Amino acid sequence: AQSVTQPDIHITVSEGASLELRCNYSYGATPYLFWYVQSPGQGLQLLLKYFSGDTLVQGIKGFEAEFKRSQSSFNLRKPSVHWSDAAEYFCAVGARGSYIPTFGRGTSLIVHP
Amino acid sequence: EAGVAQSPRYKIIEKRQSVAFWCNPISGHATLYWYQQILGQGPKLLIQFQNNGVVDDSQLPKDRFSAERLKGVDSTLKIQPAKLEDSAVYLCASSLQVTGQETQYFGPGTRLLVL
Repeated sequence: AQSVTQPDIHITVSEGASLELRCNYSYGATPYLFWYVQSPGQGLQLLLKYFSGDTLVQGIKGFEAEFKRSQSSFNLRKPSVHWSDAAEYFCAVGARGSYIPTFGRGTSLIVHP
Repeated sequence: EAGVAQSPRYKIIEKRQSVAFWCNPISGHATLYWYQQILGQGPKLLIQFQNNGVVDDSQLPKDRFSAERLKGVDSTLKIQPAKLEDSAVYLCASSLQVTGQETQYFGPGTRLLVL
């Protein structure tokens, strides 16, 4: 079965600084990979996804993520963080042929002015 | 386009009581999911419907949880009787169909507190 590790429970950055949220997955083949964002009191919103092809994936709100098979990672990046980016971020992995994403525990992003 | 609707948004009950949550997916979406999100954890799938049939309910605690999707549109999730550990946010999501590449759209969730 697939699994996801988000090693950072909280990340604090200053507004305007760059951001990288870490995600490592465990799966025997090339998985489907996702990043979701959850603002307080809201449901999850898909930021980006990787299924195949180019390993650098562009998403909404200026986010990107890079699939690195050798490191079993799918880290999320943003060059300049805005205060409105403060939220909970979830990485998820889906097994090919059975689309049931397994979510990590999430990373809480705090943005200082 | 209207999103996934859920009600109620909040519910407080005492243990051993029953509770029901309602979800209306995006129009035309054949697949509907219910997730349980315990504080500090990621969402965990409880049940997946394709139209009005169950695709996967392997993680649904069937001794106390039940779900239905009559007519393949709206869905209800019920807990009877509730336990303290059922305190969580219950998220509903929908997608056009289940092909492995469909985006799931999530509702705002129902926050349940069991006292």
